[in-house]
This record gives sequence, C-alpha cells and structure tokens, in this order.
Amino acid sequence: AQSVTQPDIHITVSEGASLELRCNYSYGATPYLFWYVQSPGQGLQLLLKYFSGDTLVQGIKGFEAEFKRSQSSFNLRKPSVHWSDAAEYFCAVGSSGGSYIPTFGRGTSLIVHP
Amino acid sequence: ETGVTQSPTHLIKTRGQQVTLRCSSQSGHNTVSWYQQALGQGPQFIFQYYREEENGRGNFPPRFSGLQFPNYSSELNVNALELDDSALYLCASRGTGPNTEAFFGQGTRLTVV
Repeated sequence: AQSVTQPDIHITVSEGASLELRCNYSYGATPYLFWYVQSPGQGLQLLLKYFSGDTLVQGIKGFEAEFKRSQSSFNLRKPSVHWSDAAEYFCAVGSSGGSYIPTFGRGTSLIVHP
Repeated sequence: ETGVTQSPTHLIKTRGQQVTLRCSSQSGHNTVSWYQQALGQGPQFIFQYYREEENGRGNFPPRFSGLQFPNYSSELNVNALELDDSALYLCASRGTGPNTEAFFGQGTRLTVV
C-alpha cells in the first residue's frame, strides 16, 4: 500500500528566508507525486506534480520539488518565502496504474514571521 | 478558483441523522472523488466515481455512499451520523487518464453534535 510521511507538523520561517518541506513516500513502483497547498477554510490547490522525466519539477508561486528515488523523497523548496505562503502543505503519492487515487500525508503547517 | 463547486459550505447535523453533500464538477471532467479531512489531518480518500460507476473506495463503512449523475455532478450521502464524522468534506474532479490534474472544491464543513 502506498503511504506518505511528512515528518514536520509545523515549520516556522522568516519572510525572505528559504524553505524546504520534507516528504517521504512508500510505493512499490514509480509513483506519481504531488504537492498541494491549503489556505484556512479552503480546498486544495496543486502546486506541482511529478509523473516522469526531469526529477526537478517547477511549480506555481515559485515552488519547486525534487524527486529522489534513492531516498524515496519529494521535498518542496522555495528560495524566498513570502508572508502569503503561510498555509498548510500536503504531499501526496498516486498510483502509476489503475484508477489513480492519491494518498495524502498529514500536512505541514507553514508559519511565516515578518 | 477552480470550476468545482460544493454545497452547502457549512452544515450542522445531529448524531444519527443523515446528510447529503453535493459537488458540481468542472466542465469536461468525468471523474469525481470525495475526501474526508478531519481537523489537523490530511484528506482521506472515501470513494471515486467514473462515468456514474464507483471505481475505487477507501476504508470507510457502507453508511458512506455516493452517486454520480449523467452530467458528472456527484453526491455524498452519510447515514447514521456519528460525532467523528465531523470534518471538512472535499470533492475533486478530473478528466480521463492518470496524468490529469485533480481540481478541488472549497469543501463542506460538517459538524455533528
């Protein structure tokens, strides 16, 4: 069964600082990987996704993520955080075959200090 | 803002009652999935419908049921509500194929008292 671990429940950074959110997955084959962002009381918005090809994926809002098969990781990065980036971030892994249903991690809450 | 709309946005029900949540999928999307997101947790997959047929189900009891209509809109029904059913219920729609992005609605906040 597929699973996702986001080891950090909360991350606090200063505005303008760099950010890295960790994600480790468990899946037997090549996974589909996603990062979503959720603002308070809102639905999920897709930041970026990895299906195949280049392991460094660029997303919206200046985010990027790198797929490392050897480490079963898909960490999310941003070089300079803005106050508006404060939100909940979810990593998800989807099956590369069948009905494609993503499994989500429990999320990492990003707090941005001015 | 996505083209996926959910109604109602908030709902309060009493334990033991039944509830129906609705989702209007984005135009052209034939696959709808539902998720339950408890406070402080990630979304948990409930089930998925493709062209009016359920084609995937998570670890939820049978009192969670659904429908998808010919226009691909969808309903989630929950019978015999329990306090633990209090959560944000999210609907997502996407087109055909695994490489297509799923678009999420804003969710319905259900509170069971």
